[in-house]
Amino acid sequence: EPEVTQTPSHQVTQMGQEVILRCVPISNHLYFYWYRQILGQKVEFLVSFYNNEISEKSEIFDDQFSVERPDGSNFTLKIRSTKLEDSAMYFCASRGGRATYEQYFGPGTRLTVT
Amino acid sequence: EDQVTQSPEALRLQEGESSSLNCSYTVSGLRGLFWYRQDPGKGPEFLFTLYSAGEEKEKERLKATLTKKESFLHITAPKPEDSATYLCAVPRPGATNKLIFGTGTLLAVQP
Repeated sequence: EPEVTQTPSHQVTQMGQEVILRCVPISNHLYFYWYRQILGQKVEFLVSFYNNEISEKSEIFDDQFSVERPDGSNFTLKIRSTKLEDSAMYFCASRGGRATYEQYFGPGTRLTVT
Repeated sequence: EDQVTQSPEALRLQEGESSSLNCSYTVSGLRGLFWYRQDPGKGPEFLFTLYSAGEEKEKERLKATLTKKESFLHITAPKPEDSATYLCAVPRPGATNKLIFGTGTLLAVQP
């Protein structure tokens, strides 16, 4: 069964460092998302990506964040200069097409900023 | 404002003791309501989609139902392996259909 994969599973970084979180969405899906979940809190939307551009971003997704789909399979989230409050689980999700609304999530990357 | 509220926050059951979890929502133009299961430190695992009031979906010991204002996840004769956090989410209507999640119900099933 097709699934979303994410690497690494756990990333530890120092404050101010850049990190890149990687995702491989389900093949032939068209819509891609990043969400995050701070420990004990709700899953919250960060950004959506369609047709090689950002279609919507949340208030959290400021200039320190960027996303890219560098080739036909990978989807990345970059945090340019990490802060302590960026520590969270980051989930990638993908959706098939315009007429389908289900989103399928990857296993997540636990980001710890020290 | 579009929002999703789940109750109870936590539920402890004995193995075999059936119960229900609630998800109430307010969103204009429902494009589906999704139930996910989340194990500790893992990503949400898709369980069900419900699109219209009166619809029901079943999977093993789980049955999800939908009304115009809420959804229920019924757990019949649960087993310890059903222990997890159950999340409810709705897509916010718009170009991206980003998901709005509830806080989840943490279910613990004791043997």
